[in-house]
Amino acid sequence: DAKTTQPPSMDCAEGRAANLPCNHSTISGNEYVYWYRQIHSQGPQYIIHGLKNNETNEMASLIITEDRKSSTLILPHATLRDTAVYYCIVSPLIISNFGNEKLTFGTGTRLTIIP
Amino acid sequence: DADVTQTPRNRITKTGKRIMLECSQTKGHDRMYWYRQDPGLGLRLIYYSFDVKDINKGEISDGYSVSRQAQAKFSLSLESAIPNQTALYFCATSDYNDRAFFGQGTRLTVV
Repeated sequence: DAKTTQPPSMDCAEGRAANLPCNHSTISGNEYVYWYRQIHSQGPQYIIHGLKNNETNEMASLIITEDRKSSTLILPHATLRDTAVYYCIVSPLIISNFGNEKLTFGTGTRLTIIP
Repeated sequence: DADVTQTPRNRITKTGKRIMLECSQTKGHDRMYWYRQDPGLGLRLIYYSFDVKDINKGEISDGYSVSRQAQAKFSLSLESAIPNQTALYFCATSDYNDRAFFGQGTRLTVV
């Protein structure tokens, strides 16, 4: 069962901010929101994760709504190399020890950066 | 050097043949995973292992088996390959924050 809903595709102009939405209305209190991306057929790459506070790192920012039912990944200045499929995943942390948690990938959003 | 290394990168095999895909990691992580990717279907979990003595089936384990030979090594076997196992296969490890690190993938074609 899919825990997240993402648009299948999006376009963004090069140099602009890319905002990728994700709905996770059934998220549990112990579940984090993770974002990965996959460039062409390479192995997926971790981008960022968060629980309830907004997070920022060198790659992106993650904005999580107060009710935690949705989030937005922001790539502040998109480049052509950001063209990829972006996956939003919800999962507990391993250290929470809630049994056999595992990362489950859906079909993601195909982001195309337009020159 | 890559943190997660998969061999081979590409393989063509005949129906009914046994084939093994190998994965090794230098991250020192206990958790390792095998995923399969088909066009338009995202990644689907085949097997996962939380330590050397632990093996768990994922959502599509039928037709596959795994072996965790050491903390750093996790192999996926197809005992009798069939054409619908043609896919891109990824091995991954994860750390205590559930950040996963993926290999470059193995493109398997069964003819």
